Order: sequence, then structure tokens, then C-alpha cells
Amino acid sequence: QQQVKQSPQSLIVQKGGISIINCAYENTAFDYFPWYQQFPGKGPALLIAIRPDVSEKKEGRFTISFNKSAKQFSLHIMDSQPGDSATYFCAASRGGYSTLTFGKGTMLLVSP
Amino acid sequence: NAGVMQNPRHLVRRRGQEARLRCSPMKGHSHVYWYRQLPEEGLKFMVYLQKENIIDESGMPKERFSAEFPKEGPSILRIQQVVRGDSAAYFCASSPQGSAGVDNIQYFGAGTRLSVL
Repeated sequence: QQQVKQSPQSLIVQKGGISIINCAYENTAFDYFPWYQQFPGKGPALLIAIRPDVSEKKEGRFTISFNKSAKQFSLHIMDSQPGDSATYFCAASRGGYSTLTFGKGTMLLVSP
Repeated sequence: NAGVMQNPRHLVRRRGQEARLRCSPMKGHSHVYWYRQLPEEGLKFMVYLQKENIIDESGMPKERFSAEFPKEGPSILRIQQVVRGDSAAYFCASSPQGSAGVDNIQYFGAGTRLSVL
């Protein structure tokens, strides 16, 4: 049972464009939704995170949009740069628990 | 402040051998998590430990796998009698507290890539 579904599997965006990655979850007990960025050969690094009491969170070029009723959240990367080329994972955790449930990841390639 | 340290970075084992993966959490972190990443898959939770205690091992196979986090020293993920299906990247993460959230970020190590021949 996949509790967090992520799409697309891969994405190619031109430099300066907007990258959009979507995730949907099933467990309504989830209350923490982080996004992780992973470069080849490295471990995942936290990019940005949100709680369901807000609909949007922005940090620099990265924005999370959250739709609680639809049980969906998305990552928007504005003005995408070649250095943003990496694999992005959405994740979720439920209240009081520590473990993260990850989506399968999106491989983003930003072409120069 | 050093990050989460995992070693070895790469480990090659023949079928039937034992694999030992080590993880030193960030300074001040007493909560450790192990995740496994298969090719083209997301990370899957295996086990969550505090010092000397296993808190949640619901994601870890019941046979051949074990984990510990002793009072002194790193956390160890041990895989006995490895099989080819164990080939994967194993990541360790640590956090200062036990409840995931914006104030309790999980920081990941660079991982150990296990190859079983």
C-alpha cells in the first residue's frame, strides 16, 4: 500500500521555467509534509516543509502548495536552474510519530 | 558541527556473508532512523531507535536484519546471510527529538551502498 503517491516520475524543464511536482496522500492523520532534495551519491536534504494548517509556504524560489480537502500537496520551483537538477521526494508523517513515508521521487532535469 | 556520518560508503558482500552498516548521528541527536532505497523507489522506513532502545522496527524484515544503538558508539544495522535482493542504498537519519515536524528535522547521511554478488 503506497500511502504517498508522487508524480511525475521524471521532469525536464528549461532554465528559467517553473517545475511542478505533485503528491497525494491517503492517511488523513498525516500532519507534516516535507520535501527532500537528493543529488546523485548523496543523502536526501530537507528543502522545505509544511503543516496542514497553512495552504502555502514559500522559501526563496521554492513553494509548497497544500490542499487539505483534496489530500494533495505540490512543490513549485520558480526560475528553475541547472543546479536544481536532482531527485525530489515528498514525504509525510503523522502526529506524534517520527517515521517518514516517502513518495517514489521525481527526477528533475533543468536544461541550460 | 559534523553531519550524520555513515560508513562504509560502499560495501560489497557475497551471498551468505554478513553486512554491518554504521551510523553516527549528528551531535546532540539521540534519535536514529534507518531507511532503505531501492533503484527507482523512494526511501522506505526500516527501524527507529533511541539510545539502547528500539522504538519502532515495523519496517524491518523479521529475519536476517537487526539494529542497535548502544549507549556508546554508532548505531549499527546488521544484515546476516545477505541475498542479492538486499542490494540497495541504506540511509541513516537523526533528529534531536522523536516526533517529526518543522522543529524536529530528520537529517540524512550520505548512505551506504550495499552490493551483493
